[in-house]
Amino acid sequence: AQKVTQAQTEISVVEKEDVTLDCVYETRDTTYYLFWYKQPPSGELVFLIRRNSFDEQNEISGRYSWNFQKSTSSFNFTITASQVVDSAVYFCALTTDSWGKLQFGAGTQVVVTP
Amino acid sequence: SAVISQKPSRDICQRGTSLTIQCQVDSQVTMMFWYRQQPGQSLTLIATANQGSEATYESGFVIDKFPISRPNLTFSTLTVSNMSPEDSSIYLCSVQGRGRADTQYFGPGTRLTVL
Repeated sequence: AQKVTQAQTEISVVEKEDVTLDCVYETRDTTYYLFWYKQPPSGELVFLIRRNSFDEQNEISGRYSWNFQKSTSSFNFTITASQVVDSAVYFCALTTDSWGKLQFGAGTQVVVTP
Repeated sequence: SAVISQKPSRDICQRGTSLTIQCQVDSQVTMMFWYRQQPGQSLTLIATANQGSEATYESGFVIDKFPISRPNLTFSTLTVSNMSPEDSSIYLCSVQGRGRADTQYFGPGTRLTVL
């Protein structure tokens, strides 16, 4: 069985602070794919990053960075110098199926205040 | 990434009625999916829709309640039948590209309120 745990329900920060979102996953498969999506108040789900199980290289994209550690089954996401526009719900997701079914975590609400 | 549109964007419906949600993609895709997001909750997969075959439903979802059509490689519909207030949710379609393990991209969602 697959499982994704986002233990942080809500994180509140002041603008320019850094925020790290935790994601812990469980799977018995050796091949799997991990994702982060952002859901702003408008409701649309915006794709942020995809990582496969064979690529543990961390990634940075602008103010966003991701830390993938297979040893701890974690795929954490950091927003550096947060902005009000970063306020959203962020979902971590996992699939071991090449053709579909994403298993989503519960999501973490990020609130950035000026 | 594909451009995905959904109609309607939101609706308020009466108990016992049905609503059909449309999902249109600007390119041909192999896999289309329908998800439900209940208020304050995460996303749950309802079914997978392949062109030319019956949709595959997840546990807890049945065809009589959520009939799905997939007439071609760019279009799908989800009907929410005999609605009750518990069906109030955001319904999102997503598409997967032509390759295995491609990223799923999501439509803007349909916000449904059932009175």
